[in-house]
Amino acid sequence: GAGVSQSPSNKVTEKGKDVELRCDPISGHTALYWYRQSLGQGLEFLIYFQGNSAPDKSGLPSDRFSAERTGGSVSTLTIQRTQQEDSAVYLCASSPGTGGARGYTFGSGTRLTVV
Amino acid sequence: GEDVEQSLFLSVREGDSSVINCTYTDSSSTYLYWYKQEPGAGLQLLTYIFSNMDMKQDQRLTVLLNKKDKHLSLRIADTQTGDSAIYFCAESFTGGGNKLTFGTGTQLKVEL
Repeated sequence: GAGVSQSPSNKVTEKGKDVELRCDPISGHTALYWYRQSLGQGLEFLIYFQGNSAPDKSGLPSDRFSAERTGGSVSTLTIQRTQQEDSAVYLCASSPGTGGARGYTFGSGTRLTVV
Repeated sequence: GEDVEQSLFLSVREGDSSVINCTYTDSSSTYLYWYKQEPGAGLQLLTYIFSNMDMKQDQRLTVLLNKKDKHLSLRIADTQTGDSAIYFCAESFTGGGNKLTFGTGTQLKVEL
């Protein structure tokens, strides 16, 4: 597609439920990133995929968080047993893998609310 | 670890210049960036500067980098109401996989 697409745009879930957030990167972009934006805070890096390499999971806040990227394209971020502190906007970005972060394109994000 | 700080809020009058400041702690950054976030939208890259540069100008935008003081600023000339948004500075590192470390964001409000 023309841009990075994220779905759903908004998600309200009950505490303790699992959620899946989806990111469709720009076609041909080899790198894909997930960030979290909490109210009043900056963006926090979560996880990074580059081609067929093992993902960099160093930003995942707990083992309740996981992500996968199938076929080098679509990525799903899963949060198990959601907690209220998981409420945030989850942003996905993709890049061609060259040109550094200058090549990032961000999606509009998924706003997750845990009640 | 990395830490990037920004003031939370800035208010200016239309037509004035805006200066948004950012300080960072990690001296190994390779690029520094300014992003703009409008309500309900993703982040839009405004401009970036390589860490061995002092200044970069792009139309109404001027970026100044003081590596000694680890201080980055974004000046917006002739600020317009359409410039109202949250502005984030960010840095990336050699060997960091192009991950970005973001500041907390500065909300710019442009008043008539």
